[in-house]
Amino acid sequence: GAVVSQHPSWVICKSGTSVKIECRSLDFQATTMFWYRQFPKQSLMLMATSNEGSKATYEQGVEKDKFLINHASLTLSTLTVTSAHPEDSSFYICSARWDPRPYEQYFGPGTRLTVT
Amino acid sequence: QKEVEQDPGPLSVPEGAIVSLNCTYSNSAFQYFMWYRQYSRKGPELLMYTYSSGNKEDGRFTAQVDKSSKYISLFIRDSQPSDSATYLCAMSSAAGNKLTFGGGTRVLVKP
Repeated sequence: GAVVSQHPSWVICKSGTSVKIECRSLDFQATTMFWYRQFPKQSLMLMATSNEGSKATYEQGVEKDKFLINHASLTLSTLTVTSAHPEDSSFYICSARWDPRPYEQYFGPGTRLTVT
Repeated sequence: QKEVEQDPGPLSVPEGAIVSLNCTYSNSAFQYFMWYRQYSRKGPELLMYTYSSGNKEDGRFTAQVDKSSKYISLFIRDSQPSDSATYLCAMSSAAGNKLTFGGGTRVLVKP
């Protein structure tokens, strides 16, 4: 099956610093990648959609200058949380697809971000 | 009001019982209906999908969609402790469109 990886799986950073999370599609070329945020015992909230080589489309209420997304290749997307604060602590999950059918979207294992 | 509503649970059942999960939604444009399983601190894993109305069965899992009532269900037969997880429903109006998730139902299957 299609495999999506994320790195790191867990990161702790100090308030005010930036942290980068990588999302890779390991065995397929992803034309579209998505970034989600999930708070404890809550559902996935879509943050942004990115297409390879294009600027990301952010959901309403998501600060694009704070959450920088780069989809540099068909197998790699990165999310950079700039000037992180404790309220940015969350579980970040990416997903990827090559097929526009909604069920053909494969999720990564997630990255736990803790900002101290 | 959220577009997709899902009882958060937890839903606790004995091993071997049938697990019954459901979601209601308000957007009549939704055409694709998915169920995902998510273990703690892991990404969601697709269990089943249905397009439009009807039933679909895959092994121990059965998905039902009633578009007239805007109600979808997932049944898990012969539940196992390994089925203990959070189950998320997700919907989309068309190919290429984003997924809208329910809040998830936590299920605990006790040996």
